[in-house]
Amino acid sequence: GQSLEQPSEVTAVEGAIVQINCTYQTSGFYGLSWYQQHDGGAPTFLSYNGLDGLEETGRFSSFLSRSDSYGYLLLQELQMKDSASYFCAFETGANNLFFGTGTRLTVIP
Amino acid sequence: NAGVTQTPKFQVLKTGQSMTLQCAQDMNHNSMYWYRQDPGMGLRLIYYSASEGTTDKGEVPNGYNVSRLNKREFSLRLESAAPSQTSVYFCASRDPRARRSHEQYFGPGTRLTVT
Repeated sequence: GQSLEQPSEVTAVEGAIVQINCTYQTSGFYGLSWYQQHDGGAPTFLSYNGLDGLEETGRFSSFLSRSDSYGYLLLQELQMKDSASYFCAFETGANNLFFGTGTRLTVIP
Repeated sequence: NAGVTQTPKFQVLKTGQSMTLQCAQDMNHNSMYWYRQDPGMGLRLIYYSASEGTTDKGEVPNGYNVSRLNKREFSLRLESAAPSQTSVYFCASRDPRARRSHEQYFGPGTRLTVT
């Protein structure tokens, strides 16, 4: 079967760094994506890892280890506006996405 | 560019009623998707269309039908609504040939309640 696991909630202090982990299980894996969703809003794309290693986009970085079926999203210099839900999703052979249940990040002053 | 648009934004149906959710994108994307998101959950794929004229089932297709009317439009139909279909429905699109080919662009969602 297919599955994704990520923590349900994370709390971090403004200005700090937070890491959101994601482990997956699937027979066909083509890459790992991360999406951000604010309450009442639509998901928006943050990053994609097709190969092992780190991808950096501004304050956000994402990492993938295919051998460990593991990835993470790293958010630096946290801001209050980063409070949102973060979803990891793996890409299947049909170029479709299978989403995790999301991690709710709360940034506190 | 409006991106991905969805209508209606909100809808309340009675059990057994039918309705069609509309989705359109103006980015000339080949691939389009319909997802549902239940409270506190991730998105689950209902149907997708890899290109104009093709549609395929996703993870949770039962109770739904779709039509890829043209390259821009992809509609989702509930023939006989059930309370279990109460959810937020998102349409998305992507261009597999683009530089950012893995990015899906989402519409604002339709909040559907079935009583």
